[in-house]
This record gives sequence, structure tokens and C-alpha cells, in this order.
Amino acid sequence: GAGVSQSPSNKVTEKGKDVELRCDPISGHTALYWYRQRLGQGLEFLIYFQGNSAPDKSGLPSDRFSAERTGESVSTLTIQRTQQEDSAVYLCASSLAGTSGRVGEQYFGPGTRLTVT
Amino acid sequence: GQNIDQPTEMTATEGAIVQINCTYQTSGFNGLFWYQQHAGEAPTFLSYNVLDGLEEKGRFSSFLSRSKGYSYLLLKELQMKDSASYLCAVRVLFSGGYNKLIFGAGTRLAVHP
Repeated sequence: GAGVSQSPSNKVTEKGKDVELRCDPISGHTALYWYRQRLGQGLEFLIYFQGNSAPDKSGLPSDRFSAERTGESVSTLTIQRTQQEDSAVYLCASSLAGTSGRVGEQYFGPGTRLTVT
Repeated sequence: GQNIDQPTEMTATEGAIVQINCTYQTSGFNGLFWYQQHAGEAPTFLSYNVLDGLEEKGRFSSFLSRSKGYSYLLLKELQMKDSASYLCAVRVLFSGGYNKLIFGAGTRLAVHP
């Protein structure tokens, strides 16, 4: 079956504009995660969804960042009034909801490369 | 707090063996993952440890010592295609009954002929 998909693959935007990034998880995966990865750095957790609710939003860097998920499927990450510091690759991952073994293994999408000019 | 440390960069020669170490201080430990990430691509799963000991999978092996908060990834018979970043990630179980992966910054491995 299909893996995690993300769109767009690349986005160039002007400072101050809003952007919306989309993630389509693997069918049946109820857990969904967003990460940010700056050039040459590790993955920075942003938000976690279980179904349509977000029990952990602790990684969202500011109130300019928000995310939602509908129908236990697609998720969108919105960044308002983008700043140059928001330039990064935004990765989405999904997993089954289990907490043991490899059940919780996260499968990553290809990411969206965001460049704020 | 949650903290994961791994070397920033390593170099090795084609055909050799390399060991990438990872140390962690976390609460609610529920397993350790290693991911491989080629430049410009998404991370892909390499290995998983939850009990102490060595897990072998072809040319790659991963070791875990929970008492020491330590893991390593061992790559044998290195190939040029093994040049990538290797991410250590600890799965933490929260009181709400959900997991979160805490990632290290990654180790960039360069394999030379």
C-alpha cells in the first residue's frame, strides 16, 4: 500500500505570508506526528495526533503554528505570518497506536521543504 | 528532561566496520530505534531494541543497555551507499498512554573508498 505522502514537496514563500502543509498518513494509522528539521540538524517534535485530537502540542514553537486533523486521516500544518527562521523541512510520520514492540514504529513521509525569503 | 547524545560526524573506509554510539537520559523508556536518513530524504527504519542485548540484521546490528542508557549501531562491510545520517530515537511512554519519539541530532557518516 501507499506510504505517507506530503504536499507540496517544496514551498517558497515571502516573509509574512501564511502557508499550509499537508500530510496523508498510511491508511489505518491513527497516530500522526509532525516534525521540523533544520538544515544539518535532528528532528524537532512539533505535535502529535491520536485520531483527530492532539494530546501533545508541546513542540509547536509559537502561536503562529497550528495543526488539525480530520477524519482520522489527512492533517494540515499551518504557519501564519512566516518568518525566515521557519525555513526547514517539515516531516510528517504516522504509526499504529500501540505502545509496545514495533507496533508504534513511525513511518515518515518525504517532507515539505519550506523556504521563507 | 529528555536528552539524547550521539556524535555529530564520523568517517570510515569502504569495507570497514563502524560503531555509532548513542547515550540517553529519558523518563518512561519504551524502546530505542535507529533510523537512516540519506540527504534530502525521509528517515527510514533500521532497527529496534527494547530489551538489553544485541539485535542483528544483516550488515547492521544494534545493541542496548538500559541500565547504562546506552545503545550503539554497528555497520559492517561498509558500502558507499551507507553514507547517510543515522538517527537514534528513544520512545517515551507518557502517562496519557501515548508514545513519543525523542530524536538525537543524528550522526553524519561519510564512507570513503
